[in-house]
Amino acid sequence: QKEVEQNSGPLSVPEGAIASLNCTYSDRGSQSFFWYRQYSGKSPELIMFIYSNGDKEDGRFTAQLNKASQYVSLLIRDSQPSDSATYLCAVNYDDYKLSFGAGTTVTVRA
Amino acid sequence: DAGVIQSPRHEVTEMGQEVTLRCKPISGHDYLFWYRQTMMRGLELLIYFNNNVPIDDSGMPEDRFSAKMPNASFSTLKIQPSEPRDSAVYFCASSLGDRGLQPQHFGDGTRLSIL
Repeated sequence: QKEVEQNSGPLSVPEGAIASLNCTYSDRGSQSFFWYRQYSGKSPELIMFIYSNGDKEDGRFTAQLNKASQYVSLLIRDSQPSDSATYLCAVNYDDYKLSFGAGTTVTVRA
Repeated sequence: DAGVIQSPRHEVTEMGQEVTLRCKPISGHDYLFWYRQTMMRGLELLIYFNNNVPIDDSGMPEDRFSAKMPNASFSTLKIQPSEPRDSAVYFCASSLGDRGLQPQHFGDGTRLSIL
């Protein structure tokens, strides 16, 4: 599998703040980038995906991609206690395979 | 729409026994993936299928692991004989094609414990 590195957690943010999650990847040929949220004991749930350089917004979530720097990030605005989870960055390689980072655990303090 | 369905949700068995995990992908999805998740190694791709045909099994850890997809709506992952180090959560995921641009959708997983 190709390398995907995520910033080490845990990340603790107060309710209402912005949580910023970062991810770097090793395969320059990667074309698709995904963020999954995983609650403890549950399965990964798709939050965002992005293919093109720049920003993509969906509600309180914004994904940012910079292929030249091999960097993808996720911003969670107005963080809520329900956002407390582990966030997995996934990057495709060889077209259909996904390599996952180890995850960043986010805790939103009420 | 029904999501990816896996069974059983939990499996506890003794070392040496055969274990069979089952998966029903989302209807219309032509790609199916099997993953394993552990604390030490994270989420790892084991094998994936396209139109019921195994495409890449390079992630399968040993010959004790095998996977089949007899039709578009059913796949199995079998471990024989099982060992304690196989204990993990096994996920099945499915997606449409489009050269990896489509997201994978995960089932609830099977939590496997080998005693």
